[in-house]
Amino acid sequence: EVQLVESGGTLVQPGGSLRLSCAASGFIFTNYWMSWVRQAPGKGLEWVANIKQDGSEQHYVDSVKGRFTISRDNAKNSLYLQMNSLRVEDTAIYYCAKAFHWGWDYWGQGTPVTVSS
Amino acid sequence: QSALTQPPSASGSPGQSVTISCTGTSSDVGGYNYVSWYQQHPGKAPKFMIYEVNKRPSGVPDRFSGSKSGNTASLIVSGLQAEDEADYYCNSYAGSSKWVFGGGTKLTVL
Repeated sequence: EVQLVESGGTLVQPGGSLRLSCAASGFIFTNYWMSWVRQAPGKGLEWVANIKQDGSEQHYVDSVKGRFTISRDNAKNSLYLQMNSLRVEDTAIYYCAKAFHWGWDYWGQGTPVTVSS
Repeated sequence: QSALTQPPSASGSPGQSVTISCTGTSSDVGGYNYVSWYQQHPGKAPKFMIYEVNKRPSGVPDRFSGSKSGNTASLIVSGLQAEDEADYYCNSYAGSSKWVFGGGTKLTVL
């Protein structure tokens, strides 16, 4: 059974940093691109970033470029999102998702990030 | 990277069919056959419903189907059931390794 379990979300002040983690199991992690998708309170979904199987390529939505870094540790079947210079508008539930045929077939339950003073 | 346009709401009675549209541009929906759809119940993670415009993942009822014409993709839900009441989001590849979602449609089963 595929499982994606996010962790690391919390309350942080504007300008602060946070690192999210996603533990993957039930599939061959090294075979798939992985992504982070977020959802602000009461709003829609927004693709944030994705990373290639071997970590050699990363891509970001313009609003987080230069502030967020996606990475993975294939030995630990884990995905990460380092978030720096956080803004109030980064407040959201952050989902880890497994890529499949230009979409995402499995999603974690999400971890909430609140940026507020 | 502008969001795709979806109607905020849609509704239908049990057993009826409903179509949810998703309008983009020639740079996203119209340019690639990489449209996917997601169902989200309140407080839950999104669920993968349709990929590559009209393909259904295993386990998704065949009441759900997808299509595309020009810059507009559509999700069709036939034989509406109470459990279909949820938010639905479209997504499209937008080139240059970017993806864009629609704003979401709240489907109500009357």
